[in-house]
Amino acid sequence: GAVVSQHPSRVICKSGTSVKIECRSLDFQATTMFWYRQFPKQSLMLMATSNEGSKATYEQGVEKDKFLINHASLTLSTLTVTSAHPEDSSFYICSARGGYSNQPQHFGDGTRLSIL
Amino acid sequence: SQQGEEDPQALSIQEGENATMNCSYKTSINNLQWYRQNSGRGLVHLILIRSNEREKHSGRLRVTLDTSKKSSSLLITASRAADTASYFCATDARGQGGKLIFGQGTELSVKP
Repeated sequence: GAVVSQHPSRVICKSGTSVKIECRSLDFQATTMFWYRQFPKQSLMLMATSNEGSKATYEQGVEKDKFLINHASLTLSTLTVTSAHPEDSSFYICSARGGYSNQPQHFGDGTRLSIL
Repeated sequence: SQQGEEDPQALSIQEGENATMNCSYKTSINNLQWYRQNSGRGLVHLILIRSNEREKHSGRLRVTLDTSKKSSSLLITASRAADTASYFCATDARGQGGKLIFGQGTELSVKP
């Protein structure tokens, strides 16, 4: 089946640091990638949708200058949390989908971000 | 805004019993999907049911969809301790470019 690799799985860093999270589709071409945020015991909240070669579309309330998304190839998208603060601590999950919107999304294993 | 609502929020059963989770949504959809999440991990896709389908099976999983009531159910038969996880429904709403909106999830605990 389709495999999505997300790295790193866990990050602990000081306030003010910028953190980059990578999301790779290993065995298929991901036309579209999605970034989610999940708080403990809660559902996934979509942050942004990125299509290869174009700018990401951010959901309402998500700061695009805070959460930089790059989708430069059909197999790689990155999320950079710039100047992270404790309130940015969360579980971030990416997903990837092929060319058709009615295909399922395939998820990475998530990144646990802890800002001290 | 959250599209799906799920019930129950938590379900605890014994191994061998069946588990039923329900999902309701608000707008027209292209399809509805069910995902499973083990604690601290990503989501695993279980089943996708299209808006013109009423029922779908995959192994011990059975999903129904009632578009007139805007609801879906996931049935896990003969549950196992390894089925313990959170289960989420997600809707692919029409006109949203394939974005998924997730329900709040049902936390299933299967006791051996």
